[in-house]
Amino acid sequence: EDKVVQSPLSLVVHEGDTVTLNCSYEVTNFRSLLWYKQEKKAPTFLFMLTSSGIEKKSGRLSSILDKKELFSILNITATQTGDSAVYLCAVLYGNKLVFGAGTILRVKS
Amino acid sequence: DTEVTQTPKHLVMGMTNKKSLKCEQHMGHRAMYWYKQKAKKPPELMFVYSYEKLSINESVPSRFSPECPNSSLLNLHLHALQPEDSALYLCASSPPRGWDSGNTIYFGEGSWLTVV
Repeated sequence: EDKVVQSPLSLVVHEGDTVTLNCSYEVTNFRSLLWYKQEKKAPTFLFMLTSSGIEKKSGRLSSILDKKELFSILNITATQTGDSAVYLCAVLYGNKLVFGAGTILRVKS
Repeated sequence: DTEVTQTPKHLVMGMTNKKSLKCEQHMGHRAMYWYKQKAKKPPELMFVYSYEKLSINESVPSRFSPECPNSSLLNLHLHALQPEDSALYLCASSPPRGWDSGNTIYFGEGSWLTVV
């Protein structure tokens, strides 16, 4: 059965810390891996990854994909309280986008 | 412009009511999706339309009826819902595969549905 697994499920850090969120997947007809941030509303798009080893970067956030080992990581450096959210990994395969369970990140001031 | 517009933002309906959720995009996307999200859970796929034809139905109960009248619009008709159907309903769209952004999916803001 196709699946997307995220770890850890939740994480509490202090402002300024660096965090790494993990996403592993097992699907057929892989097209892309997407990262979203969700607060109390719809998911907000962060990154789309299709090729191995190419880092995508946006400010303090970065992400990379390993298509051989079937996983991706999302890094957040110098965390801020505004980074507190659920981070969702999703894999697009065929015509389906399937989400992992998410990682709940809480950044304490 | 990466906008997917959903209406209404909030809906309260009784179990005997018939209502509809609407979704619109004008980005030329030819795949459109309905997702359901319960509290503290990730979005779950309900339906996928590809080129205005239903391509995926994830065994959704018949009280949910999707409709794609044209390439820009996607509706979700609701009838005889149960309180457990209360959730955030998300519409999304994605470009054709040949586009540079063909592997990205864009979400609307969602419709918060409460069934009483």
